[in-house]
Amino acid sequence: DTEVTQTPKHLVMGMTNKKSLKCEQHMGHRAMYWYKQKAKKPPELMFVYSYEKLSINESVPSRFSPECPNSSLLNLHLHALQPEDSALYLCASSQVVRLVNEQYFGPGTRLTVT
Amino acid sequence: AQTVTQSQPEMSVQEAETVTLSCTYDTSESDYYLFWYKQPPSRQMILVIRQEAYKQQNATENRFSVNFQKAAKSFSLKISDSQLGDAAMYFCAYRSARGYNQGGKLIFGQGTELSVKP
Repeated sequence: DTEVTQTPKHLVMGMTNKKSLKCEQHMGHRAMYWYKQKAKKPPELMFVYSYEKLSINESVPSRFSPECPNSSLLNLHLHALQPEDSALYLCASSQVVRLVNEQYFGPGTRLTVT
Repeated sequence: AQTVTQSQPEMSVQEAETVTLSCTYDTSESDYYLFWYKQPPSRQMILVIRQEAYKQQNATENRFSVNFQKAAKSFSLKISDSQLGDAAMYFCAYRSARGYNQGGKLIFGQGTELSVKP
């Protein structure tokens, strides 16, 4: 099973709302990633978790708060977002015990901030 | 810092024909990995093929193959017998071999949008 699932598929939120994005994988991968992608652009890395610990934070604004409650789950908590935060949010996972550890992506959550 | 460049924003191919997408990269490292990802209109990123820099043999996956020229820092993707389902945005990506046990940061090119004409 090489599937990464993400919920919800679509999310519309106001600038004062608090919402969360959820990502799940059951491939035994110990690294999980959040990316932000604007239309016609490449994904931009936001956060990396390795063995449930935050290993990379690409200077993301504090209105985005990641959480990795266990090895299969990754959440992204959203608060006080801006309209420019509207984008596709992609989750990915990979192994960390092999050098090549290619990343497998979920289908994404399309976020609209009004 | 490493960079990845895809110089063709858009390309078009006739169904059943062959097309080559270009990718160049810049790095001072000797050990790294290169990937091609496909993103169809559904926007699900799908791994197409990968290449380990220490391997001289070019990777092949069914109709997809790469031409890896390490000295020239070039990594092109060839799609043979193009199908309508190949229409997508294709991203070339680089990942250092260092820090693999902390997860790896993918550095993407800007993408090439491929259309397939019936």
